[in-house]
Amino acid sequence: AQKVTQAQTEISVVEKEDVTLDCVYETRDTTYYLFWYKQPPSGELVFLIRRNSFDEQNEISGRYSWNFQKSTSSFNFTITASQVVDSAVYFCALSVPTNAGKSTFGDGTTLTVKP
Amino acid sequence: EAQVTQNPRYLITVTGKKLTVTCSQNMNHEYMSWYRQDPGLGLRQIYYSMNVEVTDKGDVPEGYKVSRKEKRNFPLILESPSPNQTSLYFCASSLSTGYNSPLHFGNGTRLTVT
Repeated sequence: AQKVTQAQTEISVVEKEDVTLDCVYETRDTTYYLFWYKQPPSGELVFLIRRNSFDEQNEISGRYSWNFQKSTSSFNFTITASQVVDSAVYFCALSVPTNAGKSTFGDGTTLTVKP
Repeated sequence: EAQVTQNPRYLITVTGKKLTVTCSQNMNHEYMSWYRQDPGLGLRQIYYSMNVEVTDKGDVPEGYKVSRKEKRNFPLILESPSPNQTSLYFCASSLSTGYNSPLHFGNGTRLTVT
C-alpha cells in the first residue's frame, strides 16, 4: 500500500521568510511519480510539479524549489522569500503503476504567510 | 480554454433526496476521478474511470454512484444523501490512464446535506 505523510499540519511565516514543506512517502514500487498541488483560499486545486522515481534532480522554478531524496523517501518543497500570495494548502501526492488510477494524497499543509 | 467544469458550485439538500453533480472536461482526457475533501482528512478518492464504460471504486465509494457513458462526462450520483456526505467534492481528469499524468481539477462542489 502507498502512503504519503505531510507531518506539518499548519505553518505560519512572515513574508520574505523561506519555508520548507515536508513530504514523506511510502511505497514498495520502484517506479512511481510524486506530485505537488496548491489549493489557494479560493479553493481550486492547481498542479505544481511532477517528479518520477528515476529522476532525483532537484528542480527550481522561480521562488519554488523541490528536493527529491529517494534515500529518505522525501520530496520536500521550499518557497524562498515567501509572499502573502503563497498562502494556501499544499498537497503532496503519490502514484504507482501497480495501482494505476489511484493517487494517494497527503493530508495537506496549510501555509499562512503574514505581511 | 482547457478545463474541468463541475456543477453546481454549491448545493444544499436534505437527507434522502437524490442528487447529481456533473463533471465535464474538454481536454479529451482518458482518465477521470472524483474526490472528497474533508478537514484533516486530505483528499480521498471516491471513484475513478480509466475510459468510457470503465469505472472503479476508490477509497470511499459507499453511498456514491458514477457513470462514464461519454469520454468528456463523469457525473457523481448520490442516490440517498446523508449528512456524512457533507463535503467539498472535486472532479479531476488526466491525459493518460496511468499514474504519470498530473490531475486537472474542477473548481469544486460544496455539498451540504441536512
